[in-house]
Amino acid sequence: GESVGLHLPTLSVQEGDNSIINCAYSNSASDYFIWYKQESGKGPQFIIDIRSNMDKRQGQRVTVLLNKTVKHLSLQIAATQPGDSAVYFCAENYPGNTPLVFGKGTRLSVIA
Amino acid sequence: DTGVSQNPRHKITKRGQNVTFRCDPISEHNRLYWYRQTLGQGPEFLTYFQNEAQLEKSRLLSDRFSAERPKGSFSTLEIQRTEQGDSAMYLCASSLIEATQYFGPGTRLTVL
Repeated sequence: GESVGLHLPTLSVQEGDNSIINCAYSNSASDYFIWYKQESGKGPQFIIDIRSNMDKRQGQRVTVLLNKTVKHLSLQIAATQPGDSAVYFCAENYPGNTPLVFGKGTRLSVIA
Repeated sequence: DTGVSQNPRHKITKRGQNVTFRCDPISEHNRLYWYRQTLGQGPEFLTYFQNEAQLEKSRLLSDRFSAERPKGSFSTLEIQRTEQGDSAMYLCASSLIEATQYFGPGTRLTVL
């Protein structure tokens, strides 16, 4: 079946560097995408979202890029900090389907 | 704190016992969702409510699982005759219709 997945299960970056977390989705009908951050023992925390009529959206230190041609989503974190260490999930939603479909997640480790 | 709250945060039970979890959504949110998450995986949808109506249930929701939202505010998720395979983090999320889902901290269930 169609699902959301992630290219890399783990990512280690130096503090202060930029991080890029990638996500591939296979449902071409998906029109809404969200990135969540999950710290150990906590629930997923909303970071940023994007709809399919956009290809880029910026937040505070974060940018989400959507490439519908290759069905690829990325999360860029600028000046990564130790507090950014967590597991990051992308999730998708498509018309007529209310629940979110999550991938397995990428663990981001920030090296001080 | 006006976010989604869940109780208890941790539950340890013996196989065969019944357990009940509670979720209090963000007050103005009319949609409430239950997800299950196992270690290293993304959350998987179980069921959701719009106001007091349960609109969708996943195939993951076996007959031993039941969820209610009697007054369209808080919700309960009950698991009867628990099995070791039920051990997981049970997450609740809430949203306005067609809007971002915000998650609670989860209830971690351990079935011995």
